[in-house]
Amino acid sequence: EIVLTQSPATVSLSPGSRATLSCRASQSIGYYLAWYQQKVGQPPRLLIYDASKRATGTPTRFSGSGSGTDFTLTIGSLEAEDFAVYYCQHRRNWLFTFGGGTKVEIQ
Amino acid sequence: QVQMVQSGGGLVKPGGSLRLSCEASGFYLSDYYMSWIRQAPGKGLEWISYISKSGSTIYDADSVKGRFTISRDIAKNSLYLEMNRLRVEDTAIYYCARSFEYNWFDPWGQGTLVTVSS
Repeated sequence: EIVLTQSPATVSLSPGSRATLSCRASQSIGYYLAWYQQKVGQPPRLLIYDASKRATGTPTRFSGSGSGTDFTLTIGSLEAEDFAVYYCQHRRNWLFTFGGGTKVEIQ
Repeated sequence: QVQMVQSGGGLVKPGGSLRLSCEASGFYLSDYYMSWIRQAPGKGLEWISYISKSGSTIYDADSVKGRFTISRDIAKNSLYLEMNRLRVEDTAIYYCARSFEYNWFDPWGQGTLVTVSS
């Protein structure tokens, strides 16, 4: 089973600053990684898939990178609506796994 | 407009049963893989069940295997999760989600809260 470890668990940043979120896989997963954003009281929303492809409607300030075991979600300049929890996700065969999440909070 | 509207959550005693529904609109369930994913209060996301486009292939997480059953009604364009022998640790918000590009989930239903408590 692939384990996804996200870091940090929480990051405190100011609007306008740059956010860098990490997701590390327990073994190589190629480019098979997605990122989701979840705001309070809402379901998750797909932001990035295949490690770096933006889903429809994802602003260009969000970018994904990485391959193998190390992946990064970068938010270029934080806007008020970006303060949320972010999850990474992978699928191998019949098993879907999520990371534990990173909360991006306002400093 | 593609969306899924969920219903069926509520309070149930340990050992009890509940059925969740997820009515799809704007697309046909027969064209997509579908999953159920849950989120315990204040916790992360846990995938629990998957059904193929044809309905012939079903996968379940070990945590619910033998207790939960995913199914669908093509005529009603609805997805279901039959939950039996519920445990306190099954307390969570349950989401239905459509598969995107086979490996990902998009969009998600609004979620429905299941509380298992005596």
